[in-house]
Amino acid sequence: GAGVSQSPRYKVAKRGQDVALRCDPISGHVSLFWYQQALGQGPEFLTYFQNEAQLDKSGLPSDRFFAERPEGSVSTLKIQRTQQEDSAVYLCAGGTNADQPQHFGDGTRLSIL
Amino acid sequence: KQEVTQIPAALSVPEGENLVLNCSFTDSAIYNLQWFRQDPGKGLTSLLLIQSSQREQTSGRLNASLDKSSGRSTLYIAASQPGDSATYLCAVGDSGTYKYIFGTGTRLKVLA
Repeated sequence: GAGVSQSPRYKVAKRGQDVALRCDPISGHVSLFWYQQALGQGPEFLTYFQNEAQLDKSGLPSDRFFAERPEGSVSTLKIQRTQQEDSAVYLCAGGTNADQPQHFGDGTRLSIL
Repeated sequence: KQEVTQIPAALSVPEGENLVLNCSFTDSAIYNLQWFRQDPGKGLTSLLLIQSSQREQTSGRLNASLDKSSGRSTLYIAASQPGDSATYLCAVGDSGTYKYIFGTGTRLKVLA
């Protein structure tokens, strides 16, 4: 597709379940970022990939959060043993390089019951 | 630690008005600043990107300025329209890490 694609758009899970969120970046985009956006707040940085290398994961809130991009294209954000405070919109963004404009997907809205 | 603040938090104006949204940041060591628009339930749409060496960028009815030394950026919207109603987010690119630090946004409503 022409833009960044994220799936699923909506995810509801029970507390304690594991979830996996997918990001399909624009072809050729080297850099890929994950952000978490709580209701009424701006997005907050989670992690950054340059191709398949995860160069910064300082924003991941706990060791329950794990992200990968094994072939330098599609990325998956996994959250284990979900908790209610994990409820948020998870946004993926990509760019041709780290210092270029970031193009955002529509996000995955995660609700933990 | 970089902090980004946007004022006002919400704004309601009649159609046709010119308006200014403000963004301030605490650390001038940025590599760029980007203004985004976010519609309800949607992702972010990039409006304007200003590199750290630039002072302003223009696109149609939008003009964004950057004053790195004072830690300020403004987004000017001319002749506002109801279709401009959205949340506007300011994000600064952190030098060295490239991650974006976002403000909490300005919720704009333009009344017909």
